[in-house]
This record gives sequence, structure tokens and C-alpha cells, in this order.
Amino acid sequence: AQSVTQLGSHVSVSEGALVLLRCNYSSSVPPYLFWYVQYPNQGLQLLLKYTTGATLVKGINGFEAEFKKSETSFHLTKPSAHMSDAAEYFCAVSSTNFGNEKLTFGTGTRLTIIP
Amino acid sequence: DAGITQSPRHKVTETGTPVTLRCHQTENHRYMYWYRQDPGHGLRLIHYSYGVKDTDKGEVSDGYSVSRSKTEDFLLTLESATSSQTSVYFCAIQGVRTGDYGYTFGSGTRLTVV
Repeated sequence: AQSVTQLGSHVSVSEGALVLLRCNYSSSVPPYLFWYVQYPNQGLQLLLKYTTGATLVKGINGFEAEFKKSETSFHLTKPSAHMSDAAEYFCAVSSTNFGNEKLTFGTGTRLTIIP
Repeated sequence: DAGITQSPRHKVTETGTPVTLRCHQTENHRYMYWYRQDPGHGLRLIHYSYGVKDTDKGEVSDGYSVSRSKTEDFLLTLESATSSQTSVYFCAIQGVRTGDYGYTFGSGTRLTVV
């Protein structure tokens, strides 16, 4: 069984400030971890993913996340927030390699950017 | 998203009527998924398919059925729509090549059951 907990359903940061969105996972086998972003009235877009190898993963739009096995965490960060980052963000976990991953999603974090 | 389209984009239907949502892909991907998105629940898996005529249930499959007669099409049917099935439905696809981790999502279908 696998699950994801996203801490904070709403996060607000000032433009230019650090963005930190928290994600903790539970998995009985080594996980594969993902962050997706959803802009209003759109589908989900893959931001970044961790499968194996380097634990610090860089994604699109300046975002990165670090896989910490000891903390079962995969927090998403961006050094300087931009107005265009306002969206909903979903963390997801799967327990298999490519093909039929059956991702399990967190409940999402809505990010608001304050001008 | 390029390569995957959902139809219709919006639909209002009455309680008790059957409804079919369509997901069409041009990527020739093997795996296809149907999720529903609800506030406070994130995305929950309804059904998925791992090939033509090969489908299986997800965590919230009650009241839904699926069919996949062609690689490119994955249909989701609400057999008798209820108000609890008002939601946004997303289809996703996934390839099997090395590095194809993660899904490509469609733009969603907003379904309202009145």
C-alpha cells in the first residue's frame, strides 16, 4: 500500500520569496515520486520526478525536490516565487517502474502568490 | 495536452441517466487511466487499462464501467448517474519506453449531475 500526505492545503508566499510545498509518502517498497502542477481549468502537468539515482531532482520552471528516505519526504521548492507559479500542486507516489504505475495522489496544495 | 483529448469538456446530465466520457490518444500508449478529481480528495483512480480489452478497477470504481476496444480509445460510462458523481474527470496515458515515468493528462471533463 502507498499513500501521500501533503501538509497544507493552501500556501501563500510573496513574490520573490521561497516556495516550500511539503509532501510525505508511505510506501512498502522503494517509491517513485512525482510532483504535478495544475493551472485553472487545465489538466495536470508533470513538474519533476524521482525514480532512482540523484536524490535532488530538478524540474521545469525552476522547481526542484529532494528525496529524503530517512524522513519519507519529497518536498518541492523554488528559490524565488513568480506570479505565474500560482496553481495547485499535487505530489504522487508509485511503487512500480514504468508501465502501469497506478499513481496515488495527495490531496493537493493551492499556492497563492502575493504581489 | 498534445496526443490526448477528452470529450465532452463539459456536460450536465440528469440523475439516473447513463453517461459516457471519451478519452482519445494518438500516442499509441499501452496504459490508460481514468481519475476523478474532487476538492479535498485530490485525484482518485476509477479504472485503468493495460491494453485492448484489458481493464481493471481502481479505488473508486463503484457505479462506473469502462471499455477499450481500440488502443486509442478508453471510454468511461456512468451506468446511472448520481449527484455524488458530479466531478471533474481526467484521463491519463503512459508509455512503456524507458524514461516514460509519469502520466500525460487530458484537459478533463467537468460533469454535473442534477
